[in-house]
Amino acid sequence: EVVLTQSPVTLSVSPGERATLSCKASLSISSNLAWYQQKPGQPPRLLLYSVSTRASGIPARFSGSGSATEFTLTISDLHPEDVAIYYCQQYNNWPPWTFGQGTKVDVK
Amino acid sequence: QGQLQQSGLGLVRPSQTLSLSCLVSGDNVSSKSAAWNWIRQSPSRGLEWLGRTYYRSKWYSDYELSVRGRIIIDRDTSKNLFSLQLNSVTPEDTAVYYCARDGGDFFDLWGQGTQVVVSA
Repeated sequence: EVVLTQSPVTLSVSPGERATLSCKASLSISSNLAWYQQKPGQPPRLLLYSVSTRASGIPARFSGSGSATEFTLTISDLHPEDVAIYYCQQYNNWPPWTFGQGTKVDVK
Repeated sequence: QGQLQQSGLGLVRPSQTLSLSCLVSGDNVSSKSAAWNWIRQSPSRGLEWLGRTYYRSKWYSDYELSVRGRIIIDRDTSKNLFSLQLNSVTPEDTAVYYCARDGGDFFDLWGQGTQVVVSA
């Protein structure tokens, strides 16, 4: 099973600043990584897939990079509505599909 | 874009069966380009993929190893829905359960979630 380790656990960022979130895989997952945003009381929402392809309706301030075992989600120009928990998910090694434990982003 | 609407009981007694349904609208559960998944989320285990069903000229179901033997994911094509049955539940099965669609092994459409508590 592929283990995804996200860091930091919590990230405090000022509005308008950049947030950089990390996801590291225990073995290579090529580019088969997705990112999700989850707000309280809501299901996760797909942000990015294939590392850097934005899902429908996702603002351009969300971007992704990386390959193999190290990946980054960047939120440039943080908006107050971006406060959420962000999860990465790998879909290269099955079974099972696995998720990271999440990074909580809040506004400083 | 589609919508997934979950239904089912939120309280289950230990050793009993958890049953949830997910009604699909705006898509077809028999689609050959989608798979229909159940995922749960708890503070102790995080997001955990449980299994999926999908149609590719015939029906398939895949299950996560830790619940294999206790889980059935089925579908009702006449109602365009799929379902989760988890047998012999314990308090460790307490979680928010989500149904979700994947069109490429990532999850682009989610149900609203159902909080399930396993308690006597």
